[in-house]
Amino acid sequence: AQSVTQLDSHVSVSEGTPVLLRCNYSSSYSPSLFWYVQHPNKGLQLLLKYTSAATLVKGINGFEAEFKKSETSFHLTKPSAHMSDAAEYFCVVSDRNAGNMLTFGGGTRLMVKP
Amino acid sequence: DAGVIQSPRHEVTEMGQEVTLRCKPISGHNSLFWYRQTMMRGLELLIYFNNNVPIDDSGMPEDRFSAKMPNASFSTLKIQPSEPRDSAVYFCASSFRSNRETQYFGPGTRLLVL
Repeated sequence: AQSVTQLDSHVSVSEGTPVLLRCNYSSSYSPSLFWYVQHPNKGLQLLLKYTSAATLVKGINGFEAEFKKSETSFHLTKPSAHMSDAAEYFCVVSDRNAGNMLTFGGGTRLMVKP
Repeated sequence: DAGVIQSPRHEVTEMGQEVTLRCKPISGHNSLFWYRQTMMRGLELLIYFNNNVPIDDSGMPEDRFSAKMPNASFSTLKIQPSEPRDSAVYFCASSFRSNRETQYFGPGTRLLVL
């Protein structure tokens, strides 16, 4: 069975400082991993995805994530937060043993202070 | 491309009433998914279709929920009768069957059952 744990339900940073949103996964096979962002009252938008190519994945809006198999982690980072980054972020895993269906983490709400 | 379209965006109804949520997937996508998002349970997959055929409805909470996909460009999720605990945001997503793990989400329907 696959699962995702987002270690922080809320993260608060100041504008211009780095962002780190943590995610650990459990999967019985080589997983695909994703980060989605959900702005208030909006649908989910794909930020980036890892599918067994390069372990450092670059996404939209300056975000990137690194797949670390030894740590079963897929943390999301951004060097400098912008006010528009305030949103909820979901770490997502899928693997072939689960029919490539998505399993969502509980979400991390990112707040950016001016 | 207009993306995944959902209607209505907001629905307020009284307990016992029938509710119908609608979804138009991205043209050319042949997999469609219905999700429910609540504070308590996060994002849950309710049902998904491949080529208009329901494949897995194990996430549908109970018989009051039903979903149909009469053609490749339209799907409905119906709740009859509705109950206050059905209050949630319902998302529709679509993908190519060959790349089912990369899903594109609609803006969601926010349902409130009084």
